[in-house]
Amino acid sequence: DTGVSQDPRHKITKRGQNVTFRCDPISEHNRLYWYRQTLGQGPEFLTYFQNEAQLEKSRLLSDRFSAERPKGSFSTLEIQRTEQGDSAMYLCASTPPSGAYNEQFFGPGTRLTVL
Amino acid sequence: TQLLEQSPQFLSIQEGENLTVYCNSSSVFSSLQWYRQEPGEGPVLLVTVVTGGEVKKLKRLTFQFGDARKDSSLHITAAQPGDTGLYLCAGYQNSGAGSYQLTFGKGTKLSVIP
Repeated sequence: DTGVSQDPRHKITKRGQNVTFRCDPISEHNRLYWYRQTLGQGPEFLTYFQNEAQLEKSRLLSDRFSAERPKGSFSTLEIQRTEQGDSAMYLCASTPPSGAYNEQFFGPGTRLTVL
Repeated sequence: TQLLEQSPQFLSIQEGENLTVYCNSSSVFSSLQWYRQEPGEGPVLLVTVVTGGEVKKLKRLTFQFGDARKDSSLHITAAQPGDTGLYLCAGYQNSGAGSYQLTFGKGTKLSVIP
């Protein structure tokens, strides 16, 4: 059973560029989450999908951020016109249908650096 | 807004010592998870507690959920260098409104010195 995978692991970009990250959840996990973590902080919730439907979005998710999960399997998170404040670790997590207590299994993250 | 406060923020101890870290909130949680995170990696789930007063043991780690389900503690016996990492608690509140987000504390950064 493979865990949650994320790609790329590291991304360095210049301010103003667009970036896209991919997350592949654990097979058959129907719920998928995106979090952002900055230095010295715990992860902060960004958005959540149940299958292909995006059901919840945080106020942290500005208009420059968009997430998709077109077939209910992998998900992408795109940041347009990146800013230096977007530099963070972007984490993806998934939960199985039977997850009554909302145990979330995290991927290794994508470290974004905006220059 | 739920808020989880973890203490201490940093902890440096010698190998073999015991330690306890805390996770406190004014909110009641349906469940609370403890994760350990190493630099440059994602959090790894250690345990989930769901019942007030519940105690769970994972080898040298003992987790306790407060009777009122507002707080939790993690006790490590005879710490080893491999225990070094960031310990995060995360609360889930099943409000029935369909929100599944976890609320994380800032974590306790533990260093175990050989």
